[in-house]
Amino acid sequence: AQSVTQPDIHITVSEGASLELRCNYSYGATPYLFWYVQSPGQGLQLLLKYFSGDTLVQGIKGFEAEFKRSQSSFNLRKPSVHWSDAAEYFCAVSFRGGATNKLIFGTGTLLAVQP
Amino acid sequence: EAGVTQFPSHSVIEKGQTVTLRCDPISGHDNLYWYRRVMGKEIKFLLHFVKESKQDESGMPNNRFLAERTGGTYSTLKVQPAELEDSGVYFCASRGGGTGANVLTFGAGSRLTVL
Repeated sequence: AQSVTQPDIHITVSEGASLELRCNYSYGATPYLFWYVQSPGQGLQLLLKYFSGDTLVQGIKGFEAEFKRSQSSFNLRKPSVHWSDAAEYFCAVSFRGGATNKLIFGTGTLLAVQP
Repeated sequence: EAGVTQFPSHSVIEKGQTVTLRCDPISGHDNLYWYRRVMGKEIKFLLHFVKESKQDESGMPNNRFLAERTGGTYSTLKVQPAELEDSGVYFCASRGGGTGANVLTFGAGSRLTVL
């Protein structure tokens, strides 16, 4: 069965430090890949996506993610974290060519930022 | 462009009562999705509408849940009668065509608490 794994439930980093959030997927073929963020009291906002081409994708708010086919991974990175990045981050996939384009989500990683 | 709007933002009901959640998608988006996140778990797909038709309702938990999208515009999700395990956040998302064909835009969610 298709699945998305985010092994880190909760991460705390200091403001200004670098960040990497891990995401692995289990799928028969390369899916579409997404990272969403949910800030307190807000909805899910799309950070970035990978469909094809360059495996390093840039997103909003200074985030980037790298697709590694050999590792079935799509890790999210940011070189310098800001206090406003404290939120919950969700990795998601959808099936290429599927009729519904429905997303399969990981369990999320809650990011806390220390001053 | 207005985003996806969900109402109410929070609902607290007693077990056995009925609740109706509403979603207004982005204007012109034919595809509408409902998702649910139970506390501590991943965000799970419930169902997908294309206009007024149910394309995929494989994620609906049981027959206490009824989703409608009359006229292909807004959608409602009714839970009747509500049980304790129905508590969670219900997200709605919509998707259009063209360059955004593979990207879902989410609302802020409706938090349901069943006591």
